[in-house]
Amino acid sequence: GQQVMQIPQYQHVQEGEDFTTYCNSSTTLSNIQWYKQRPGGHPVFLIQLVKSGEVKKQKRLTFQFGEAKKNSSLHITATQTTDVGTYFCAGDTYSGAGSYQLTFGKGTKLSVIP
Amino acid sequence: GAGVSQSPSNKVTEKGKDVELRCDPISGHTALYWYRQSLGQGLEFLIYFQGNSAPDKSGLPSDRFSAERTGGSVSTLTIQRTQQEDSAVYLCASSLSRSNSPLHFGNGTRLTVT
Repeated sequence: GQQVMQIPQYQHVQEGEDFTTYCNSSTTLSNIQWYKQRPGGHPVFLIQLVKSGEVKKQKRLTFQFGEAKKNSSLHITATQTTDVGTYFCAGDTYSGAGSYQLTFGKGTKLSVIP
Repeated sequence: GAGVSQSPSNKVTEKGKDVELRCDPISGHTALYWYRQSLGQGLEFLIYFQGNSAPDKSGLPSDRFSAERTGGSVSTLTIQRTQQEDSAVYLCASSLSRSNSPLHFGNGTRLTVT
């Protein structure tokens, strides 16, 4: 079945440093979604990428979708304490007969040291 | 507008008892998902409903777990003869449709089996 690998599992950064999490799929994706889960909270949708090579920005966050639509990354510039949380990618693949399968990565837990 | 509503928010039960967890999705959302999240872990897919189609039950860990969705809206996840390893946060999510639609998560039900 489809697998979505996400690395690193944990990342500790000093406030102001940059942070990147990577997501790799074993199969070509129709789209990829990114979610953020604050400590004690539930996952909240951040963004969706659909096109090959797509790059989207949200303030200090930059999201990329690979040319082959098998990998993606989330980069945060100059982290702040408000960025603390776990970031999940979720890859969507078409499995035939109008059916899609959404698979979440295991997440990257970001800690920011003030 | 109203988001995904889950009840109860917390449930403590004795080993061997049955529990029912409820999810009220966003009005008009045809897709509904149940996930399980153990402490500090990722999202474990349990079951998915889409409209009137047969549910995707491929993630249910054992036959003690079942779920139904009545009238294409409210869903109930039932765990029979609970075990301590069932302790986790059970998250429900809904989306407009199956593909290319972001998931909206509820706050979850924290289940503790003593």
